[in-house]
Amino acid sequence: DTAVSQTPKYLVTQMGNDKSIKCEQNLGHDTMYWYKQDSKKFLKIMFSYNNKELIINETVPNRFSPKSPDKAHLNLHINSLELGDSAVYFCASSQEYGTDTQYFGPGTRLTVL
Amino acid sequence: SQKIEQNSEALNIQEGKTATLTCNYTNYSPAYLQWYRQDPGRGPVFLLLIRENEKEKRKERLKVTFDTTLKQSLFHITASQPADSATYLCALGPGTYKYIFGTGTRLKVLA
Repeated sequence: DTAVSQTPKYLVTQMGNDKSIKCEQNLGHDTMYWYKQDSKKFLKIMFSYNNKELIINETVPNRFSPKSPDKAHLNLHINSLELGDSAVYFCASSQEYGTDTQYFGPGTRLTVL
Repeated sequence: SQKIEQNSEALNIQEGKTATLTCNYTNYSPAYLQWYRQDPGRGPVFLLLIRENEKEKRKERLKVTFDTTLKQSLFHITASQPADSATYLCALGPGTYKYIFGTGTRLKVLA
């Protein structure tokens, strides 16, 4: 009964490729997020969706495009991958927008070669 | 700009002692402060939330304080156990409808 799940767990790819990471939550939450955690363990928000609407886009390159087909899913598509995109990407969800506890997925470790 | 500082060095303590972790912030007036635990290879897990009008919050062996004058939160684990070894993150919010995370402090409890 995983609350927030992400696939894949690991993603190794070449520079210039396009890849997607999928996220699903079964908690019935209205808000979902994508975070990036770099090698120094700094966790930085990238996007936030509330009821399928984009709320936050934190100066992320437009090579990153989130898509929310429904409230339970928030996928992240990355075009033209660069070396600097290597990081761990976490999906999270919360019941309410902005003020509530966040439930994180297990993370996707992306390595760009 | 908003800044959150957590002790970036690892904290080593003996089993049974109280661990105290610090979260300092500047250029920010958070309404909420949260603490999360993160184990290697896993996502952060929520532990406690404290509001700006609360001085202290407890949950089992955990205690959080929030001093808005000092712009500081302290996170205590009493009677620490080796299983408490992890990285602990503080998060402040909501700022423009989002939480800002600190870089975390790695705690190691020695048996």
